[in-house]
Parts: sequence; structure tokens; C-alpha cells
Amino acid sequence: DTGVSQNPRHKITKRGQNVTFRCDPISEHNRLYWYRQTLGQGPEFLTYFQNEAQLEKSRLLSDRFSAERPKGSFSTLEIQRTEQGDSAMYLCASSIGDSREGYTFGSGTRLTVV
Amino acid sequence: DQQVKQNSPSLSVQEGRISILNCDYTNSMFDYFLWYKKYPAEGPTFLISISSIKDKNEDGRFTVFLNKSAKHLSLHIVPSQPGDSAVYFCAAEDTDKLIFGTGTRLQVFP
Repeated sequence: DTGVSQNPRHKITKRGQNVTFRCDPISEHNRLYWYRQTLGQGPEFLTYFQNEAQLEKSRLLSDRFSAERPKGSFSTLEIQRTEQGDSAMYLCASSIGDSREGYTFGSGTRLTVV
Repeated sequence: DQQVKQNSPSLSVQEGRISILNCDYTNSMFDYFLWYKKYPAEGPTFLISISSIKDKNEDGRFTVFLNKSAKHLSLHIVPSQPGDSAVYFCAAEDTDKLIFGTGTRLQVFP
């Protein structure tokens, strides 16, 4: 197992288009988190799953964002009708236990909306 | 409203000396804190954590100190090495998610 894998690494899209990112966590990790990081800021929580159940979603997340984790394995994050403000690094992380155990992050997907 | 603050955007330290990275928080309900390190083009990696029932936790060259009354924690790296050059994020655990600070870029020079 090579850790948390995120695809694609980079995505450039035109405003108004839909994009989807994929995250493959470490196989034995039952928790999966999505964070977003903009320039000069720390990662910001978006949502997390325990197995296939989405347990929490940030109130900052607009309804254009949706995440799934079918069968409790990989996860997808979709952004509909992208806006320039969505440009950021989207980070996925997984863990065996809760946040206190420390996450393993992937390298992220950098989204640029033009 | 930034609940976790790292007021120093950057720090430069000579190899072999001590690096001290600081972090302040505003919510007195926070009771667990973590430090992550991030290299360019990589995701953050977990470094060390501390519970509010302790005031110090040590792991090799890394020690985290917690001052609950001041709502302040610090990460000490002794001795600093060039490979420690990275961005360091402080985070507080809040109902099973992490709230991160803005990070401090540490540069260790020979």
C-alpha cells in the first residue's frame, strides 16, 4: 500500500464546468476526510466519512459540492458549476481512528478555475 | 474568525540550533492539538500531538509544550536540521475534525 492516492494531480477548468476528483485511501483506514487549502491558509475541513457514511459536512460547503464514498472504499468529490473562488488545493486524508490518531494525507488535487 | 493562529509566517534558523514555532488558539474547549509538517508538492504529514491533560510531549528531536491558561502551544525542534525545512501547521481537534492554523515556513540553513 503506497498511501493515500489522489487523482488528478492538477485540473484546469473553465468557470461553469463540473469537475470530479478521486481519492483512494489506505485500504485498512475506515475514515476519509476532504480538506481544501488556499494560498497562505491552512487546510480547511470540508467533509468526512466513516466507511460509506458521510458523518459531517462543513456549513461552508455550498450545495454545488458533493462527496461520495460508495462501499466505503474510494471517495469522489464533485464540484458543479465551478467558480473562480473554487480554485484551491483539495486534500484527501484517511485514518484508522478519529482525528486524534493523526491523518495520512494525499498529495492533493490542485484545481484552477479560469 | 481564525480559531487557531500562527502569527509568524516564517522562521529562519541555523542548523544545530533550536527552532521554536508558536501557535495560539481562542477556543478554551479545545483539548487536543496536533502538529503537521508539509513539504512542497506533498500533503501534510503528522508530526506530534498533545492532550490538554499534559503540558509537554516529546518525540525524539520534537517537543510540544502546551500552556492552557495562555491558550498557547509551541513546537521545539532540537537540533534543527536542513531536512526540517518545511511549512509547519498547528491544528486543534474539534469534534472529530481538525482546525488548522495558517502555517509557519521554517528554513534551516547550514
